[in-house]
Amino acid sequence: DAKTTQPPSMDCAEGRAANLPCNHSTISGNEYVYWYRQIHSQGPQYIIHGLKNNETNEMASLIITEDRKSSTLILPHATLRDTAVYYCIALISGNTPLVFGKGTRLSVIA
Amino acid sequence: AAGVIQSPRHLIKEKRETATLKCYPIPRHDTVYWYQQGPGQDPQFLISFYEKMQSDKGSIPDRFSAQQFSDYHSELNMSSLELGDSALYFCASSLVRLLGDNEQFFGPGTRLTVL
Repeated sequence: DAKTTQPPSMDCAEGRAANLPCNHSTISGNEYVYWYRQIHSQGPQYIIHGLKNNETNEMASLIITEDRKSSTLILPHATLRDTAVYYCIALISGNTPLVFGKGTRLSVIA
Repeated sequence: AAGVIQSPRHLIKEKRETATLKCYPIPRHDTVYWYQQGPGQDPQFLISFYEKMQSDKGSIPDRFSAQQFSDYHSELNMSSLELGDSALYFCASSLVRLLGDNEQFFGPGTRLTVL
């Protein structure tokens, strides 16, 4: 079973920041927080991951709370192409199988 | 950059037939994963291989089998197909690193329809 919980859906205006929350209160100290997304019927796409520190790459930023019980994925300037289901996944290693929960369906609106 | 290749992209079979799905990982990737996504469902892990050996097993039916070959490509063999096997089948690949913090790269999927 997935160790994370996410809101089922969110809307975001195009050009605004999209902030997607994830709760992982039972995560263990050596588990990473990974984010993937799936645009309709395409293969899931890796976005970002972190362990303790905040992370940023060309796609997004990941903010992890100090107690590691929750995190937020930030898409700084959402576009229509960011409309997708976003999955937050707790993993000991990126090489282990992904356990997809229900994810958050993000709709970016023009 | 080279991506994960899956073939065929679409496949239509009758009940009780067999099907073989193929996956070609990104060059130099040593791990392959198979996922199944039913209509309206989230992807579900089936099986994975590391360096041609089975590494993890998920909810793969006994009617299914898979292997990874010497050139690292993988095949998922499905027999006695049932209507419920209709789904998108994704293959992903990754490169194992010591720290373990790496990502899986997914292919475009094979859409299997069982009639």
